[in-house]
Amino acid sequence: AQKVTQAQTEISVVEKEDVTLDCVYETRDTTYYLFWYKQPPSGELVFLIRRNSFDEQNEISGRYSWNFQKSTSSFNFTITASQVVDSAVYFCALSDSLSSGSARQLTFGSGTQLTVLP
Amino acid sequence: DAGVTQSPTHLIKTRGQQVTLRCSPKSGHDTVSWYQQALGQGPQFIFQYYEEEERQRGNFPDRFSGHQFPNYSSELNVNALLLGDSALYLCASRTGVGPSGQYFGPGTRLTVT
Repeated sequence: AQKVTQAQTEISVVEKEDVTLDCVYETRDTTYYLFWYKQPPSGELVFLIRRNSFDEQNEISGRYSWNFQKSTSSFNFTITASQVVDSAVYFCALSDSLSSGSARQLTFGSGTQLTVLP
Repeated sequence: DAGVTQSPTHLIKTRGQQVTLRCSPKSGHDTVSWYQQALGQGPQFIFQYYEEEERQRGNFPDRFSGHQFPNYSSELNVNALLLGDSALYLCASRTGVGPSGQYFGPGTRLTVT
């Protein structure tokens, strides 16, 4: 069974601070995909990044960066120089491997509420 | 190019009633998945439709059913509504072999009183 754990329920930082959101996953698949989403108060899930299990390179996109470590089954997300507009709930998710007729369903963590104070 | 659309945006129903939610996938997509997100929780997979058939189902009772039409749009039906069915219902789409997880609709907020 797949599982995603986001141990941090709520994080509060002051604007311009860096913040890291933790994500630990469990899967028996050798091929899988990891995701991060942002969910602002409006409710719509905003896709941020998808990473496959064969690509352990860290990625940076503007103020966002992701650290994927297969050895520790972690896929952490860092926001540098946080801004008030970054305030949202952030979800980490895991997708099962591709197979014939695969559903590729997403298993989500419980989310981390990030509040950035001015 | 329209993304994933869902209707209605909000819905209020009474316990015991039935409800139908609708989803139109992104243009070019043929696979639709439904998720339930209760307040304060992450989305939970309900089921997925491809080629007008339910392909996989999450841990949801038979009160939750769905349908996919030839134009790839989909409906989620919930019978005998319970208070616990109050949630945000999200639809996601992709092509049959394409990447998953990138295209979600804005959701339908269902409140059961």
